[in-house]
Amino acid sequence: GQNIDQPTEMTATEGAIVQINCTYQTSGFNGLFWYQQHAGEAPTFLSYNVLDGLEEKGRFSSFLSRSKGYSYLLLKELQMKDSASYLCAVSNDYKLSFGAGTTVTVRA
Amino acid sequence: DGGITQSPKYLFRKEGQNVTLSCEQNLNHDAMYWYRQDPGQGLRLIYYSQIVNDFQKGDIAEGYSVSREKKESFPLTVTSAQKNPTAFYLCASSGLASNEQYFGPGTRLTVT
Repeated sequence: GQNIDQPTEMTATEGAIVQINCTYQTSGFNGLFWYQQHAGEAPTFLSYNVLDGLEEKGRFSSFLSRSKGYSYLLLKELQMKDSASYLCAVSNDYKLSFGAGTTVTVRA
Repeated sequence: DGGITQSPKYLFRKEGQNVTLSCEQNLNHDAMYWYRQDPGQGLRLIYYSQIVNDFQKGDIAEGYSVSREKKESFPLTVTSAQKNPTAFYLCASSGLASNEQYFGPGTRLTVT
């Protein structure tokens, strides 16, 4: 079976940094995705990690440790538009298994 | 522009009726997927297809059916056997060389 855990909600101030953790226990692993989803909209791709380490892309970075079954998404210099749900998804055999998502609220 | 389209955005049906949600992509992707999203829950896989005329059940296939007669199209039928059909339905596609899935805008189905 697949078990993917991430916090339900996080709140942070504009300009700050927030780290969203994701732990997983899955029957297989081909990589880990982070998606952003605004309310009522489709998820959009943020990052993909297949090897251990940190991937940086602008204000967003993602880290993976395969031995620990752990990833995090780091959002820097938070902006109001970053208020959204962030989904952690593990890829296995061309299928994605999703966590329940973390709702991030950015306050002025 | 290349992308995935789902229509309609909002759909209302009476209990006991079957309803078909459309999903079309012009990305030339081989694989297509249907997910269901409920409040406070992650996306759950209903059905997926990696090639025309072939598809597999996902984690919650009961009460749903699909077809894949063309590479571009992967319609989902929500049957009257689905006990809780009200949800947000998302279609996605990916190339077989990549794990990244691209999502359509979704259809919000309400059954009363």
